[in-house]
Amino acid sequence: AQKVTQAQTEISVVEKEDVTLDCVYETRDTTYYLFWYKQPPSGELVFLIRRNSFDEQNEISGRYSWNFQKSTSSFNFTITASQVVDSAVYFCAPGGGADGLTFGKGTHLIIQP
Amino acid sequence: GAVVSQHPSWVICKSGTSVKIECRSLDFQATTMFWYRQFPKQSLMLMATSNEGSKATYEQGVEKDKFLINHASLTLSTLTVTSAHPEDSSFYICSARESAYQPQHFGDGTRLSIL
Repeated sequence: AQKVTQAQTEISVVEKEDVTLDCVYETRDTTYYLFWYKQPPSGELVFLIRRNSFDEQNEISGRYSWNFQKSTSSFNFTITASQVVDSAVYFCAPGGGADGLTFGKGTHLIIQP
Repeated sequence: GAVVSQHPSWVICKSGTSVKIECRSLDFQATTMFWYRQFPKQSLMLMATSNEGSKATYEQGVEKDKFLINHASLTLSTLTVTSAHPEDSSFYICSARESAYQPQHFGDGTRLSIL
């Protein structure tokens, strides 16, 4: 079984600030994947990234970056120069094998203009 | 690519009605589809896993006789909420993936309101 802790229930920042969303996971699997999804107010889930447990390289995609620290079981997500359109609930989720995803409780990110 | 279509997007119906929700993968074949439920301001909870041609696997606490899942083809899964009651009102969202460890791609969800 897997477990995810997203300790930040809600974060509010002013536009253009950088913001980091924390994710700590637990898993007994030796091989696993980690995912981040975005859920804007309209409700749909948008896939952001998939990370293999063997690959600890940090990843950057535009204003988004992810820091995977296997030693601390963390997979944090940073948005640089935040924009109002980034406002959404963000979910971290381990899994992806035979089972469905185990979602964290999500972090509600509010970007104020 | 990787588009999942979910229909209907919104349903309002009377208590006791059965409601069918469809989930289609439009541009890929989905060996596995998942059904999640999300109550307001809460996380998504996995209800069941559906493999094409097999019986769905339900999570603990999910009534299989109430939430009927059919995955008859590699592009279509349906969830039928039988004899729905107000407590079944929720946001139901499906996902599909081509194979294990591939990202799940989600439909836009169905908001179900039972009066």
